[in-house]
Amino acid sequence: DIQMTQSPSSLSAIVGDRVTITCRASQSISRYLNWYQQKPGKAPNLLIYAASSLQGGVPSRFSGSGSGTDFTLTISSLQPEDFATYYCQQSFSTPLTFGGGTKVEIK
Amino acid sequence: QVQLVQSGAEMKKPGSSVKVSCKASGGTFSTYHISWVRQAPGQGLEWMGRTVPMFGKADYAQKLQGRVMITADESTSTAYMELSSLTSQDTAVYYCAREGVGEAAGSFESWGQGTLVTVSS
Repeated sequence: DIQMTQSPSSLSAIVGDRVTITCRASQSISRYLNWYQQKPGKAPNLLIYAASSLQGGVPSRFSGSGSGTDFTLTISSLQPEDFATYYCQQSFSTPLTFGGGTKVEIK
Repeated sequence: QVQLVQSGAEMKKPGSSVKVSCKASGGTFSTYHISWVRQAPGQGLEWMGRTVPMFGKADYAQKLQGRVMITADESTSTAYMELSSLTSQDTAVYYCAREGVGEAAGSFESWGQGTLVTVSS
């Protein structure tokens, strides 16, 4: 199975901050990497697919980059509605696997 | 955009089984992968398996092999996930999700609202 490791597991930030979350795969997954946002009590929401493609309706302050084993999700200017938990997920092979999550909290 | 509506919360005894449904509307059902993902309280996301309703064959996470069955009824656009031999470790919110295609293959584009399954004696 491909292991996905996210860092940090949590971070504190203020509105307007630039936030970067990293995700590392245990083997090369090309660009088969997706990012989700999850708020308490809600289903996850797809933000980015194929490492850098923005899902429809997702604000442009979200961006993704990377290939191979190392990937990044960036929020260019954190907004109040962005405080949530973020997950990466590989779609290179089954079993599809997720990172452990990064909780973005208010500083 | 497809909408996925799941069945309601369940309370089960250890050793029993649970079957959760996921009804799709407003989009294509039969030719897309439908996956099931679960989330234990306060924990991360775990993929359980998936099926393509048109083909009827399912692919499961090794960890759950033998205990989980994912099926679909094309006539009602409904997918099902049945989990047997339940233990307290299976207490979680269970989600269905429709996967994307092409460049978005393997990503979960649309999600159900989640079904809480509680296993307790």
